[in-house]
Amino acid sequence: GAVVSQHPSRVICKSGTSVKIECRSLDFQATTMFWYRQFPKKSLMLMATSNEGSKATYEQGVEKDKFLINHASLTLSTLTVTSAHPEDSSFYICSARQTISRNIQYFGAGTRLSVL
Amino acid sequence: AQKITQTQPGMFVQEKEAVTLDCTYDTSDQSYGLFWYKQPSSGEMIFLIYQGSYDEQNATEGRYSLNFQKARKSANLVISASQLGDSAMYFCAMIPGFGNEKLTFGTGTRLTIIP
Repeated sequence: GAVVSQHPSRVICKSGTSVKIECRSLDFQATTMFWYRQFPKKSLMLMATSNEGSKATYEQGVEKDKFLINHASLTLSTLTVTSAHPEDSSFYICSARQTISRNIQYFGAGTRLSVL
Repeated sequence: AQKITQTQPGMFVQEKEAVTLDCTYDTSDQSYGLFWYKQPSSGEMIFLIYQGSYDEQNATEGRYSLNFQKARKSANLVISASQLGDSAMYFCAMIPGFGNEKLTFGTGTRLTIIP
């Protein structure tokens, strides 16, 4: 299967700081990447769809000014949690779609964010 | 709206036995895709298997097979000869319609393989 790398895997930061999470497709080009948030013992919640070269599409209820998404190349999307607060602590995971015909999304390993 | 239902929050299975994880879906689209992902305790989501709504044969990938019953809107995952490493959360997911890329996930089933 295709490989998606996500970095960092774990980050602890102080309240008020910003955190950047990177998502890279290593062996394929991804015009579309996705960012999810997962609460403990819950399923994945789609936050936004990231399209290369254009603005991200955010799901209802997701603050676009809080969660900045940049998809500057066909292999890299970044999620920046701005002015992080303890309630932003969560597991964030990205995915990249490999081909149009099968629509399979391959996921990164996730980032566990803890805001103190 | 699309919906995925996984009715088994947890399952315990003896090692080497086969296991079936249930998944039903609801959509009005004629064209859609169904997926199963595995999430071990490390957190990564591992793609297991895909079934397209127009695929006539059930998908198989090694020890994984998808029992696709279109009329019943059912897409159960069957794992043959279970191994200890199969212990994980399993999510059924769906993409409705052609060109719609948003995955809708079920609530997941936690599978525990007993030695």
